[in-house]
Amino acid sequence: DGGITQSPKYLFRKEGQNVTLSCEQNLNHDAMYWYRQDPGQGLRLIYYSQIVNDFQKGDIAEGYSVSREKKESFPLTVTSAQKNPTAFYLCASSPYGGQSGNTIYFGEGSWLTVV
Amino acid sequence: AQSVTQPDIHITVSEGASLELRCNYSYGATPYLFWYVQSPGQGLQLLLKYFSGDTLVQGIKGFEAEFKRSQSSFNLRKPSVHWSDAAEYFCAVVEYSGGGADGLTFGKGTHLIIQP
Repeated sequence: DGGITQSPKYLFRKEGQNVTLSCEQNLNHDAMYWYRQDPGQGLRLIYYSQIVNDFQKGDIAEGYSVSREKKESFPLTVTSAQKNPTAFYLCASSPYGGQSGNTIYFGEGSWLTVV
Repeated sequence: AQSVTQPDIHITVSEGASLELRCNYSYGATPYLFWYVQSPGQGLQLLLKYFSGDTLVQGIKGFEAEFKRSQSSFNLRKPSVHWSDAAEYFCAVVEYSGGGADGLTFGKGTHLIIQP
C-alpha cells in the first residue's frame, strides 16, 4: 500500500545523545516535511524539502538536522543541542506544484522521550 | 506571515447533535485551507480542503466546511456527530513559493468530546 512510514513509533533518548527518526514514502511525492507536536501547541514546522538534495528551515529548526539524499527518504536527527526534545514528531509529504501539490499527507508519527 | 486561529480549545457535544468548529485565518493572498483530524497518538487524516470555486466543500465522514472570505473563516460542520468523531481537529493554511508548498501553518487544535 502507498503511504508514509515513520519509525520507530517510540524512542527513548538519554540526554546528550543524538537520535534519528526515519521517514519513508512510496507516494512518489517531491516535497517532504517534519513537524513537531506538543500538547496545546498544535503542530510546528521543523524542516521541509521540496526536492532531493535541498531543504529549508521551518519555524523551529534549532537543534535539528535533516538530509534528503533520496526522493523517498527524509530522516530527522534530533541533536543534543535540542534542549527540550520530548514530543510527538510527524512526517508529511506532498506532490510538487500545481493543484496536485496542494495536499499534504501525514505519517503516523514517532514519540520521542528523553530519559 | 499567515496564521490560523481556532478559538475553542475544547468542545463538548451530545451524540446525534450538530457540530460546528471554528477557524479563522490571516493570509494576504487567496488561501488554501484544510481540516485534519487526529486520534490520540496517531497521525493526521485529511478531512477536506478548499482551493477555489464552490465555497462549501464536502469531506469524508460526513463533514463539510464553508469558506467565507469576508469573515476570514473556514468553519467545519457536521449535522449529527457520532461517538467515533471524538478526536482533535486542526485547521491549517498552506503557503506557496516557487510552485511548491512551504508547509502548513496549523491552528492549535480543538478537542472534541462526545457525550452519550
